[in-house]
Amino acid sequence: EIVLTQSPGTLSLSPGERATLSCRASQSVASFLAWYQQKPGQAPRLLIYGSSNRATGIPDRFSGSGSGTDFTLTISRLEPEDFVVYYCQQYAKSLQTFGGGTKVEI
Amino acid sequence: EVQLVQSGAEVKKPGESLKISCKGSGYSFTNYWIGWVRQMPGKGLEWMGIIYPGDDDTRYSPSFQGQVSISADTSIRTAYLQWSNLKASDAAIYYCARRAESTDYWTHWGQGTLVTVSS
Repeated sequence: EIVLTQSPGTLSLSPGERATLSCRASQSVASFLAWYQQKPGQAPRLLIYGSSNRATGIPDRFSGSGSGTDFTLTISRLEPEDFVVYYCQQYAKSLQTFGGGTKVEI
Repeated sequence: EVQLVQSGAEVKKPGESLKISCKGSGYSFTNYWIGWVRQMPGKGLEWMGIIYPGDDDTRYSPSFQGQVSISADTSIRTAYLQWSNLKASDAAIYYCARRAESTDYWTHWGQGTLVTVSS
């Protein structure tokens, strides 16, 4: 099983600042990595797939990068609604796995 | 518009059985894999398994193999997640999600079903 480790567990920032979230895989997943945003009481929402492709309707302040084992989700300028939890997911193997999540807080 | 609408919250006792549902609309139900994801209280996401309604091909995460059953009824465009012997540790929110066309990320999600298991 591929283990995804997200860091930091909690990221404390202010609106307008830049957020950099990390996801590290225990073995290479090439570019088969997605990012999801989850607001309280809601289902996850796909942000990024294929490491760097924004999903439909996702603002361009969200960007993804990386390949192999190290990936980054960057939020260029935090809006108030961005202070929620983010998960990475690898789908390189049939046994897909999620990271433990990063909470972005004010 | 693609929509996945899940059944409502359930309160069950340990040892009881349960079947929750996920109804798809706005797309060709038989042509996309549907998966189930567990989120225990205050925790992260865990992939449970997946079904292709077109031919009932079903695959499970090893962690959930034998613990749950996934099925689908194409006549009513609905996927199911079922337990025959609930445990207190099955208490969680369960999400269904539709897979992307050709690979395993999830583009559309149901609203979630809260399952409470308590004696």
